[in-house]
Amino acid sequence: DAKTTQPTSMDCAEGRAANLPCNHSTISGNEYVYWYRQIHSQGPQYIIHGLKNNETNEMASLIITEDRKSSTLILPHATLRDTAVYYCIVAQNSGGYQKVTFGIGTKLQVIP
Amino acid sequence: NAGVTQTPKFQVLKTGQSMTLQCAQDMNHEYMSWYRQDPGMGLRLIHYSVGAGITDQGEVPNGYNVSRSTTEDFPLRLLSAAPSQTSVYFCASTSGRAGTGELFFGEGSRLTVL
Repeated sequence: DAKTTQPTSMDCAEGRAANLPCNHSTISGNEYVYWYRQIHSQGPQYIIHGLKNNETNEMASLIITEDRKSSTLILPHATLRDTAVYYCIVAQNSGGYQKVTFGIGTKLQVIP
Repeated sequence: NAGVTQTPKFQVLKTGQSMTLQCAQDMNHEYMSWYRQDPGMGLRLIHYSVGAGITDQGEVPNGYNVSRSTTEDFPLRLLSAAPSQTSVYFCASTSGRAGTGELFFGEGSRLTVL
């Protein structure tokens, strides 16, 4: 059973912020939220992860709600190169990936 | 560092043939795994390994064998290929025996079984 729910697709204008939501209402206390993206048919690429605090790196920001049941990945200034499928997964930080299936993700189309 | 390297990138097999997809990483990662991705679907875990000599099944292990004789290599074997195994296969690795943190993926191996 999928542990996360994401919209199938989204559009974003180039230069605007892309906000990608993810619901993970059954997340447990020791599970982290991870985001990956897959451009064309390349191997997925790690973006960011967090436990309960908001996180930011050079690629994106991750906002996790206080109850941890949902999160939003923010690409602050989307470019055409950000067009990709974005995956939100939850995994324990110990033995986590052993039980993880990546769902179909959100297909983000950045429009010129 | 080369990261995670998969070979071959493309392969066409006939039903019943056998082959091995190779995966190597040069990051000294203990955790390695294999996924398959079918059109319109996400990535499903086939097998994983938390260290040399230790392997276990993922979500869709049937028809595939793995072994982990070294930290660097994690080959995936198809003993008798079937058309249902037509897919894109990704190998991934991460540091730590338990499989934590950032998962590094290879570029994929595209397999067609006729």
